[in-house]
Amino acid sequence: EAGVTQFPSHSVIEKGQTVTLRCDPISGHDNLYWYRRVMGKEIKFLLHFVKESKQDESGMPNNRFLAERTGGTYSTLKVQPAELEDSGVYFCASRPTGSNTEAFFGQGTRLTVV
Amino acid sequence: RKEVEQDPGPFNVPEGATVAFNCTYSNSASQSFFWYRQDCRKEPKLLMSVYSSGNEDGRFTAQLNRASQYISLLIRDSKLSDSATYLCVVRPPGGYNKLIFGAGTRLAVHP
Repeated sequence: EAGVTQFPSHSVIEKGQTVTLRCDPISGHDNLYWYRRVMGKEIKFLLHFVKESKQDESGMPNNRFLAERTGGTYSTLKVQPAELEDSGVYFCASRPTGSNTEAFFGQGTRLTVV
Repeated sequence: RKEVEQDPGPFNVPEGATVAFNCTYSNSASQSFFWYRQDCRKEPKLLMSVYSSGNEDGRFTAQLNRASQYISLLIRDSKLSDSATYLCVVRPPGGYNKLIFGAGTRLAVHP
């Protein structure tokens, strides 16, 4: 069974440009999460989808970040315009329905804004 | 104060050593507790959940002290393959199962 896949694995963009990250969760997982790790800091929660609905977006840094999950399958996270402090590793995780189910993480997208 | 705090590390130990990691969390109402392992430039992977009564999985033992808001992980008979960053992770109350991560403690096991 395929795991959580993220694309691209790496992205280098200039400040002010737009970048879109994609996450394909494990098939059948209704819960999808985005997390971010900036250099030297802990992994931090960004937001949570249940199917196509945003359940919790309390971790989104500001309105330059937009996450979507149309149709409740894959999700995209767009950063527009990117700033230097957006550099980091963006992880996606998915989890099946159920309160004690394990979340599985993708390998992450390493974003560098120069 | 950070929600989850861990030993800063790194821990450098020889093969066969026993090593212990500690972690504290700030929200006394937190519901679930985990240790994750993260290899360099890889994704975090669940190592084990931590239960109130303590639990063991082979060479790994996890303990939880709710009164002190303290979590520990003990690794016995360290192997080279145990080298990784160990993340203390907490699920807060009412958080739709989002996870709160500590910054991690790096372990390097040498021959």
